[in-house]
Amino acid sequence: GQSLEQPSEVTAVEGAIVQINCTYQTSGFYGLSWYQQHDGGAPTFLSYNALDGLEETGRFSSFLSRSDSYGYLLLQELQMKDSASYFCAVNSGNTPLVFGKGTRLSVIA
Amino acid sequence: DAGVIQSPRHEVTEMGQEVTLRCKPISGHNSLFWYRQTMMRGLELLIYFNNNVPIDDSGMPEDRFSAKMPNASFSTLKIQPSEPRDSAVYFCASSLREGEAFFGQGTRLTVV
Repeated sequence: GQSLEQPSEVTAVEGAIVQINCTYQTSGFYGLSWYQQHDGGAPTFLSYNALDGLEETGRFSSFLSRSDSYGYLLLQELQMKDSASYFCAVNSGNTPLVFGKGTRLSVIA
Repeated sequence: DAGVIQSPRHEVTEMGQEVTLRCKPISGHNSLFWYRQTMMRGLELLIYFNNNVPIDDSGMPEDRFSAKMPNASFSTLKIQPSEPRDSAVYFCASSLREGEAFFGQGTRLTVV
């Protein structure tokens, strides 16, 4: 099976940078995704890393190290609207998109 | 495209009743997922279809749960009989590219 670990809660100040880490254990690893979910809403796709390294999309970046079974999501220039839950999800063979428990990010003024 | 469409958005039913949740994936997507989300257990993958064929149903809790995908544009998740512990938000998602899925707005199920 798969297991993913990410912090349950993170608090950061508006305008700052925050990093949300994710470690995983799985067989047949293909890649790591990140999703955002606002309260009462549906998860929305942010990024996908299949190869080692950093992928940047605007204020959000995602990093993967396959050898360390580790990835992170980096959010820069935090805004109040970034307050949400962030999920990492592994894509592994016949069972794609198994999600972690999520990290609740609170952005404070 | 209107995105992934789920119905109903809310369902309240009595214990023991049959519940059917419906999903229309995005046209052209070849993968479909059913998830259940609760505060305690997070976002659990129930079943995954690829090209209308169930590939992994290991997340289906028990025999009370069943899912079908009769064609590329429709899927159902059925719970019979329903129990209070089935209360959750059920999401359907579809995908064409690895790692990138599009979620419907979910069905909030309450079993009393």
